[in-house]
Amino acid sequence: AQSVTQLDSQVPVFEEAPVELRCNYSSSVSVYLFWYVQYPNQGLQLLLKYLSGSTLVKGINGFEAEFNKSQTSFHLRKPSVHISDTAEYFCAVSDLTNTGNQFYFGTGTSLTVIP
Amino acid sequence: KAGVTQTPRYLIKTRGQQVTLSCSPISGHRSVSWYQQTPGQGLQFLFEYFSETQRNKGNFPGRFSGRQFSNSRSEMNVSTLELGDSALYLCASRPTGLNPEAFFGQGTRLTVV
Repeated sequence: AQSVTQLDSQVPVFEEAPVELRCNYSSSVSVYLFWYVQYPNQGLQLLLKYLSGSTLVKGINGFEAEFNKSQTSFHLRKPSVHISDTAEYFCAVSDLTNTGNQFYFGTGTSLTVIP
Repeated sequence: KAGVTQTPRYLIKTRGQQVTLSCSPISGHRSVSWYQQTPGQGLQFLFEYFSETQRNKGNFPGRFSGRQFSNSRSEMNVSTLELGDSALYLCASRPTGLNPEAFFGQGTRLTVV
């Protein structure tokens, strides 16, 4: 079975400072990794994805993530955060098979940007 | 292109009742999945439909069911509601069976009293 561990449940950071949200996964099959962001009372918005190819992937709003197969990690980074980045962030691994697809999500990291 | 549309956004039901939630995927997408989000259990997979057939099912009781129509719209039904069914229910659509990338709707907030 696949699983995702987000090591930090809450991350406070000052505005314009860099941030890293950590994600480790466990998967026995081909790896498809995602980061989603959720604002209060909203659904999930796709930030970025790793399907194949370059291990450094860039997403929306200045976020990027690096797929590290040897460390089974997919950490999310942003060099300078804004107040508007305050939200819940979810790392997910996709279990795509011939019978369908299922996401396994981490427990989420609450990012709070402090003015 | 319109995104994934879920209706209604908010719902209050009484224990023992049943409820039906609706999801319209992005135009051209044929796969629809449903997830339950609660503070205690996080995001959990309910089921996935592709071309009107259930492809995958999560570990939920039979009170949770769904279906997909020929236009790819999907409905999820929960019968005999329990207090623990209070959650945000999220729908996600995918373009094809071989593409894992999914786009989520705004969700339906169900409160059972």
